[in-house]
Amino acid sequence: GENVEQHPSTLSVQEGDSAVIKCTYSDSASNYFPWYKQELGKGPQLIIDIRSNVGEKKDQRIAVTLNKTAKHFSLHITETQPEDSAVYFCAAGDSGGGADGLTFGKGTHLIIQP
Amino acid sequence: DAGITQSPRHKVTETGTPVTLRCHQTENHRYMYWYRQDPGHGLRLIHYSYGVKDTDKGEVSDGYSVSRSKTEDFLLTLESATSSQTSVYFCAISENRGSGNTIYFGEGSWLTVV
Repeated sequence: GENVEQHPSTLSVQEGDSAVIKCTYSDSASNYFPWYKQELGKGPQLIIDIRSNVGEKKDQRIAVTLNKTAKHFSLHITETQPEDSAVYFCAAGDSGGGADGLTFGKGTHLIIQP
Repeated sequence: DAGITQSPRHKVTETGTPVTLRCHQTENHRYMYWYRQDPGHGLRLIHYSYGVKDTDKGEVSDGYSVSRSKTEDFLLTLESATSSQTSVYFCAISENRGSGNTIYFGEGSWLTVV
């Protein structure tokens, strides 16, 4: 089955700086790579996703890049703000649904220092 | 908001007792999932359903059963709760929004087995 590794487990950055979280996956059949943000006491919220037919996707201060050859993808957050503090999860799977669902990384606790 | 409601949101139960968690969705999604979230393990798939009375096992299905008698309800049952099943349980649905399927989560059910 799929295995997703996520690094780092904790990331502390100064407000206004950029943050990068990296994930690798093992199953070359995976073609869907979402990122979720989870705040304390809440469910994971989808913030951005990418499918294997593109290499990069951007939504305001958030971007995701995908390297299918190397089987890794990354989340980039620019101009970080206090409200970006949360746990972020990457995931990989087959078209985002159907059998098997998604396989998740273990999460990155992002801390934005004022 | 994918129209997912989980109940109960919080529950404390004793070892050996049966427990049922309910996931209710209002948008007629075909695929539904139960995940558990534990520190150091991220989100792991317990069971999933691909239609009424159609279910299958996920990565960590031992000790759990599910049922789906109606499209809108997906029940997770712990037949005889153990302390190792103390966790946060998330229901999720798969929704097609044009570019492909995407998974959305409910707000979670916190279960403590004492």
